[in-house]
Amino acid sequence: KQEVTQIPAALSVPEGENLVLNCSFTDSAIYNLQWFRQDPGKGLTSLLLIQSSQREQTSGRLNASLDKSSGRSTLYIAASQPGDSATYLCAVPSNTGNQFYFGTGTSLTVIP
Amino acid sequence: GAGVSQSPSNKVTEKGKDVELRCDPISGHTALYWYRQSLGQGLEFLIYFQGNSAPDKSGLPSDRFSAERTGGSVSTLTIQRTQQEDSAVYLCASSTSTGSYEQYFGPGTRLTVT
Repeated sequence: KQEVTQIPAALSVPEGENLVLNCSFTDSAIYNLQWFRQDPGKGLTSLLLIQSSQREQTSGRLNASLDKSSGRSTLYIAASQPGDSATYLCAVPSNTGNQFYFGTGTSLTVIP
Repeated sequence: GAGVSQSPSNKVTEKGKDVELRCDPISGHTALYWYRQSLGQGLEFLIYFQGNSAPDKSGLPSDRFSAERTGGSVSTLTIQRTQQEDSAVYLCASSTSTGSYEQYFGPGTRLTVT
């Protein structure tokens, strides 16, 4: 069974800093990897999706990379802002696509 | 276009009562997933619907939980004889079955069993 791990569990940084969130998975035979953001009491908002054939995806200040062979993905956030404070989750689909496996998330706090 | 919607947004119920949670997926999305997120926990897969195929119910925690998807669109998750441990946020997601398989989530239903 696929296991997804996110480190660190929590991170606090001053505004303006660049930061990296990590996601690792045990089965490298993935179809894609998706990064989400979750605000308190809210659902999940999709940030970036990386297909297995891609090595990275960028959206604004966010850059996600994927290294399938090592079972790792990183989410890079440039010039962090207080509005970036949220929990960030990564997920990968099962081989049959019948479910997605989620990490337990990294809780990010950006201090003004 | 409209995203995934869920109703109600909040539900408080007494232990032992039945509840129904509703999910409206994005139009045209054939795949629909239900997850549960307990306080401080990760997302727990419950059930998966794909088109008209038989659903994958492997994640349902007990026989008190059931789900339907009518006409390949709206889905209802039913919890019978609710228990306090059922208190959680129930999230629904939909995706296409071709292309990127990107998941889109609804805002969730917060269920509190007293």
